Amino acid sequence: GQQVMQIPQYQHVQEGEDFTTYCNSSTTLSNIQWYKQRPGGHPVFLIQLVKSGEVKKQKRLTFQFGEAKKNSSLHITATQTTDVGTYFCAAPGGYQKVTFGIGTKLQVIP
Amino acid sequence: DAGITQSPRHKVTETGTPVTLRCHQTENHRYMYWYRQDPGHGLRLIHYSYGVKDTDKGEVSDGYSVSRSKTEDFLLTLESATSSQTSVYFCAISIAGANTDTQYFGPGTRLTVL
Repeated sequence: GQQVMQIPQYQHVQEGEDFTTYCNSSTTLSNIQWYKQRPGGHPVFLIQLVKSGEVKKQKRLTFQFGEAKKNSSLHITATQTTDVGTYFCAAPGGYQKVTFGIGTKLQVIP
Repeated sequence: DAGITQSPRHKVTETGTPVTLRCHQTENHRYMYWYRQDPGHGLRLIHYSYGVKDTDKGEVSDGYSVSRSKTEDFLLTLESATSSQTSVYFCAISIAGANTDTQYFGPGTRLTVL
């Protein structure tokens, strides 16, 4: 399956600051997915990107898929304490499977 | 929520004992998965199933076996638990035919092997 590298592993931000996590693959991806896991919870699907250069927004979250479909980013504008958690990207890993990035753990300091 | 439950939610066991974790879904989904989550490793696939009695290995399958005798239940067995299998275990499903491999997770089981 595809391997995806995700950076950074940890990020501390002051509440109100922006946050970005990046996901990179050495091969072209057919799609990329993003998940969020709150502390003590389970991963929850946020979004899937399919098209080259695609940009999707969910309120303060902006998701981008690179033109070459090898990288993706998740940007949060003006973080809030409710954004705390670990954000994972995931790439197709074979038939009906995905491979997850290592995740970026976001801490928001009030 | 995708109607997935896991049991037990927490378990402490001793090295060398067998352990079985259960994943139960109520919506007749064909594809089910077992992952483990460890700090610094993210989510890693242990085994998956694409139907009753149809299972295959994931990237970290050593020391684990699975069974799926009914659509709704996917069991993960640690034949002889070791301390390296201390982890949080998540079951997941994906929805066949939806042109996507999106994973929907259960609440997880925290397993401690002493």
